[in-house]
Amino acid sequence: AQKVTQAQTEISVVEKEDVTLDCVYETRDTTYYLFWYKQPPSGELVFLIRRNSFDEQNEISGRYSWNFQKSTSSFNFTITASQVVDSAVYFCSLSEGAQKLVFGQGTRLTINP
Amino acid sequence: DTGVSQDPRHKITKRGQNVTFRCDPISEHNRLYWYRQTLGQGPEFLTYFQNEAQLEKSRLLSDRFSAERPKGSFSTLEIQRTEQGDSAMYLCASSFVGMAGGNEQFFGPGTRLTVL
Repeated sequence: AQKVTQAQTEISVVEKEDVTLDCVYETRDTTYYLFWYKQPPSGELVFLIRRNSFDEQNEISGRYSWNFQKSTSSFNFTITASQVVDSAVYFCSLSEGAQKLVFGQGTRLTINP
Repeated sequence: DTGVSQDPRHKITKRGQNVTFRCDPISEHNRLYWYRQTLGQGPEFLTYFQNEAQLEKSRLLSDRFSAERPKGSFSTLEIQRTEQGDSAMYLCASSFVGMAGGNEQFFGPGTRLTVL
């Protein structure tokens, strides 16, 4: 069965600090996809990134970076030089094949000015 | 690209009433998904369609819930004889799945249901 665990329920940092959100997943499939979504206070889930199981290359997009390690079944998300606008709930999710998403519980990130 | 839209955005109903929600996906997307999210939790999968075919239904989806996607365009989710436990945000998402695989799903703003 698929499972996603985000052990950090809430994180609070001061603006400009770097912050890493942890995600650990379980799956029996060899082909799967990992995702991160952002849910700001407005409520709409915003797609951030997709990673394929056969591509362990890390990715950087501006202040955001993602570290995918199959050996530890982890897909962590780092925000560098955090800003108040980064405050949101962040969800890690997994799909086997190209089907439904299984979400973690989410991490509520608060960036204080 | 207008994104995924959902209607209504809010619905308040009395226990025992039927409610219907609508989702309009991104036009070129062939897959449409329904999820439910309660406070403090991640979204939970309910069902999904590929074009007009309903391919999977979660065990969470009791027989009071029914979803349709006629003609493979918009979708409706109906809840019959609502219960207080049905109070949640109902999210719709769509995606395009082709030969290259992958499945990033784009979500609508959701319909918040309150059952009194």
